Amino acid sequence: DQQVKQNSPSLSVQEGRISILNCDYTNSMFDYFLWYKKYPAEGPTFLISISSIKDKNEDGRFTVFLNKSAKHLSLHIVPSQPGDSAVYFCAALEMETYKYIFGTGTRLKVLA
Amino acid sequence: DAGITQSPRYKITETGRQVTLMCHQTWSHSYMFWYRQDLGHGLRLIYYSAAADITDKGEVPDGYVVSRSKTENFPLTLESATRSQTSVYFCASSVSGNNEQFFGPGTRLTVL
Repeated sequence: DQQVKQNSPSLSVQEGRISILNCDYTNSMFDYFLWYKKYPAEGPTFLISISSIKDKNEDGRFTVFLNKSAKHLSLHIVPSQPGDSAVYFCAALEMETYKYIFGTGTRLKVLA
Repeated sequence: DAGITQSPRYKITETGRQVTLMCHQTWSHSYMFWYRQDLGHGLRLIYYSAAADITDKGEVPDGYVVSRSKTENFPLTLESATRSQTSVYFCASSVSGNNEQFFGPGTRLTVL
């Protein structure tokens, strides 16, 4: 059973608008969450992270929100740019094993 | 060049053959990981290593063998390749178990 879910396989957004990518998890023991971006034929690259003791973390155009009670996190990209077009993976850290569990990814397309 | 590299980038093999995928990192990171990426599954952890000579199973270890005699290398061997092992394989490394991971460019493996 998928412990980390990204229910939207794809998302299209106009350039300059906000992109919101969502991620849900089932294990309340997850303590640390990350977002990765992946371009075709490349490995994923780290984007932003959030610890469970916070509910928001910001880095430039990227903000991650964490709602622990809902077991939900989201990545906001404002403003979206065509170069943001990629597949985005959320990942959750299983603290007792130090294993990351990845979601299935959301393909973002930013339209110029 | 500094970073994390994988070889080969592309490999075609036949069912039953042994295949070894190589991973090399120049950062002296303690942790190294092997993932496979398949449509509908995201990234799934095969094996990971916390240090030289220490390895542990991930989510999908069956059919794979790893070793880590040196900190910088973490080869993944498919002892007898099967068609279900057709996938894109990513190696990653991190400073510690709860830090962001740095991914290699991936190896696309096709088993005929």
